[in-house]
Amino acid sequence: GAGVSQSPRYKVAKRGQDVALRCDPISGHVSLFWYQQALGQGPEFLTYFQNEAQLDKSGLPSDRFFAERPEGSVSTLKIQRTQQEDSAVYLCASSPRWQPNEKLFFGSGTQLSVL
Amino acid sequence: AQSVTQLDSQVPVFEEAPVELRCNYSSSVSVYLFWYVQYPNQGLQLLLKYLSGSTLVESINGFEAEFNKSQTSFHLRKPSVHISDTAEYFCAVSDKGTYKYIFGTGTRLKVLA
Repeated sequence: GAGVSQSPRYKVAKRGQDVALRCDPISGHVSLFWYQQALGQGPEFLTYFQNEAQLDKSGLPSDRFFAERPEGSVSTLKIQRTQQEDSAVYLCASSPRWQPNEKLFFGSGTQLSVL
Repeated sequence: AQSVTQLDSQVPVFEEAPVELRCNYSSSVSVYLFWYVQYPNQGLQLLLKYLSGSTLVESINGFEAEFNKSQTSFHLRKPSVHISDTAEYFCAVSDKGTYKYIFGTGTRLKVLA
């Protein structure tokens, strides 16, 4: 497809379960971001990749969160031992270059509900 | 640390009326400013951005925003709204030289017939 694709669209997990969220950025895009959007809030930065290198993971809320982009294209955000406070929409965005003023192309997000 | 404030969580307005969505950011250090729009069941899309130069920036669908450094504001305006403008609007800022965007909490614009 032409846009950023995220899967699954919805995920329901039991507390303590591990989940994996997938992001397919636009082909050729160098930069990839993960954001977390809680209900009624704006997106909050989680982590940033330039190609396969994870340059910033300062926004990951705990060591239960892990992100990877091994071949510089598809990225996976993994959450271990999910907690109720992890319930949110997880957004992936990509941009064609590494420039601070670049336009971000967002996916529709994965809505995670932890019961 | 940089922060963004969108004071209005919801703004109802009648069709063809003007609208202003307010955005203030905390730091006057050199910044880039953005407005993103999220239509129902879609991802965020860039509406317009300020990087440098003219303080007034415009989008292709009639929105405009003005960068005001002294007031650290970047309010979004449209002189006449349409039903199709119903969406959530997010203001975002990034400090020059960084790639980290800080988003506001969003303003839900509802255009009424």
